[in-house]
Amino acid sequence: DVKVTQSSRYLVKRTGEKVFLECVQDMDHENMFWYRQDPGLGLRLIYFSYDVKMKEKGDIPEGYSVSREKKERFSLILESASTNQTSMYLCASSPQGAGTGELFFGEGSRLTVL
Amino acid sequence: AQSVTQLGSHVSVSEGALVLLRCNYSSSVPPYLFWYVQYPNQGLQLLLKYTSAATLVKGINGFEAEFKKSETSFHLTKPSAHMSDAAEYFCAGDNDMRFGAGTRLTVKP
Repeated sequence: DVKVTQSSRYLVKRTGEKVFLECVQDMDHENMFWYRQDPGLGLRLIYFSYDVKMKEKGDIPEGYSVSREKKERFSLILESASTNQTSMYLCASSPQGAGTGELFFGEGSRLTVL
Repeated sequence: AQSVTQLGSHVSVSEGALVLLRCNYSSSVPPYLFWYVQYPNQGLQLLLKYTSAATLVKGINGFEAEFKKSETSFHLTKPSAHMSDAAEYFCAGDNDMRFGAGTRLTVKP
């Protein structure tokens, strides 16, 4: 089975802290994604990556950055956390192909910024 | 613009009743369409997918969806709801990595 592992299920951080959310997939997928999920807003795409060292902005990249140094790992970075970044963050991966195909998700990281 | 639209943010049915969750896609969407399910405090998992091989697609847990080009729809159905079906359901198109806003399904005893 494909496994996407997010390093932390629950985090509590303070305003202004730098936050790292890690995501690792074990199926050699080319594509990786970060979404945030908020009630009533569904999933919103933050960043995605089609290959190592490549990144593309999604719909809401402001306040976030990403890093993909290895194929299996895609990190989301909050340079200076703010309370409006309190949310559920979901990482996903998919194999290369036309469009993106099926996405495989991690269990999510629920971040609270105080 | 989002490629899929889900109608109804919340659907409530009685146990044993028909489940119908609505999804419409834009005409520019390629033929791959997906339904995902999210149980509380979990990530999303694939329920079923349409890849143009057959218009009626069967998924896990008794769910199915029918691709109707004339209506640009891909609605999700289940003949008889079970308490364990309570979850949030998302429709997605295989082109822009965007999801519908989600529909929360509540099942009443």
